[in-house]
Amino acid sequence: GQNIDQPTEMTATEGAIVQINCTYQTSGFNGLFWYQQHAGEAPTFLSYNVLDGLEEKGRFSSFLSRSKGYSYLLLKELQMKDSASYLCAVLDSNYQLIWGAGTKLIIKP
Amino acid sequence: IAGITQAPTSQILAAGRRMTLRCTQDMRHNAMYWYRQDLGLGLRLIHYSNTAGTTGKGEVPDGYSVSRANTDDFPLTLASAVPSQTSVYFCASSEREGHNEQFFGPGTRLTVL
Repeated sequence: GQNIDQPTEMTATEGAIVQINCTYQTSGFNGLFWYQQHAGEAPTFLSYNVLDGLEEKGRFSSFLSRSKGYSYLLLKELQMKDSASYLCAVLDSNYQLIWGAGTKLIIKP
Repeated sequence: IAGITQAPTSQILAAGRRMTLRCTQDMRHNAMYWYRQDLGLGLRLIHYSNTAGTTGKGEVPDGYSVSRANTDDFPLTLASAVPSQTSVYFCASSEREGHNEQFFGPGTRLTVL
C-alpha cells in the first residue's frame, strides 16, 4: 500500500526554527509537494522537490532524499502566522497525489 | 471570478437526497480534482479530470460522480447521500496533470444527517 507519515502535531517558539519530517512509501515517485493549510481554509502550495537536495525559498526550505523516502520542511524565524497544518504529498507513478494527514504546527510567543 | 470558486460554502443534507457541489475556475487550467478531507486523514482524491471531456476515478470514487463538459466547470454529484459522506470537499485545478502545483477552492462543508 501507499503510505505517507508525518508527526501529528508540533510546537515551536516564535523566532525559532522548526523541522517537519515526512517519510513515504509509494508506488513510484514523481515528486514531493509541501502545502500549508490554515484552520478552516484551503491548502496553498509551498514547495516542490523532484531531485535530491535542498530547495530554499525565503524563510522556508524543503529537502528531499529519494533513496531514503524522506523529506523535511524547514521553517526559520517563526512567526505567529506560521501556525497552520503542513501537508506532505507525493506524486505517484500514476501522477496522482498521495497526501499525508498533515502536521499541525503550534507557535507559542 | 479570480481563481477557483466552490458553492455552496456549507450544506446540511438529509440522507438519501441528491446533491451537486459546484466548482468553477477561470485560470484555463486543464486538470481539475475533487478531494475530501476528514479529520486525521490526508486529502483523498475522489475524481479527477485531465482535460475537458475526460474524467477518472481517484482513491474513493464510490457514491460520487463528476462531469467535465467544459474547461471551467467540474461539478461533483452525490446521487444518494449517506452520513459517511459528511466531510469537507475541496476542488482543485492545475495547469496540467502531474508536476504542477494545484490551486484549491475554499471548500464546501457538507453534513449528511
